[in-house]
Amino acid sequence: GNSVTQMEGPVTLSEEAFLTINCTYTATGYPSLFWYVQYPGEGLQLLLKATKADDKGSNKGFEATYRKETTSFHLEKGSVQVSDSAVYFCALRPNTNAGKSTFGDGTTLTVKP
Amino acid sequence: EAQVTQNPRYLITVTGKKLTVTCSQNMNHEYMSWYRQDPGLGLRQIYYSMNVEVTDKGDVPEGYKVSRKEKRNFPLILESPSPNQTSLYFCASSPDRAINSPLHFGNGTRLTVT
Repeated sequence: GNSVTQMEGPVTLSEEAFLTINCTYTATGYPSLFWYVQYPGEGLQLLLKATKADDKGSNKGFEATYRKETTSFHLEKGSVQVSDSAVYFCALRPNTNAGKSTFGDGTTLTVKP
Repeated sequence: EAQVTQNPRYLITVTGKKLTVTCSQNMNHEYMSWYRQDPGLGLRQIYYSMNVEVTDKGDVPEGYKVSRKEKRNFPLILESPSPNQTSLYFCASSPDRAINSPLHFGNGTRLTVT
């Protein structure tokens, strides 16, 4: 079956530090890949997506590139802010069955001033 | 405002007492889905629906039922809740079944079964 593996958290950074959250996936075919963010007490929100190999998704200073050869979709941000503190989920939607989304376990990010 | 609305936000119940968590979206989305979120396990899919009257099992469907009688509503039914169903539940929708459609999530329902 499909799977998504995220780097384990929690991750604690100082403001303006560089962020990387690793995500690798296993899926047949060519899934679409997503990063979602969850702020305390809220549901998940789409952060960015990429739908084919070598696509780069970007939003609010976050970026991730769909790497087919390494089956990865790592999330990066050059300079984090306190307001980026949240839980980040990597997810895929497979082209073999678009109904079944698979999520990683989530990575908790805390940014300290 | 475009949104997915779940009710209730919090629910405490006892083992075996049937309950329903409602989910409604006002975006005319075709696709809807239920997930549960547990510490260390991420989000796991319970059931999903590609359209009205079409539902399918996700990865953890045991102990749950769903129905999709109309496009906007997708209730989650626990006929006989058990303590291992204590969890945070999310409903989500997307415009269509295309794999590049992102999910829109509700704010969650925290269920405690004692």
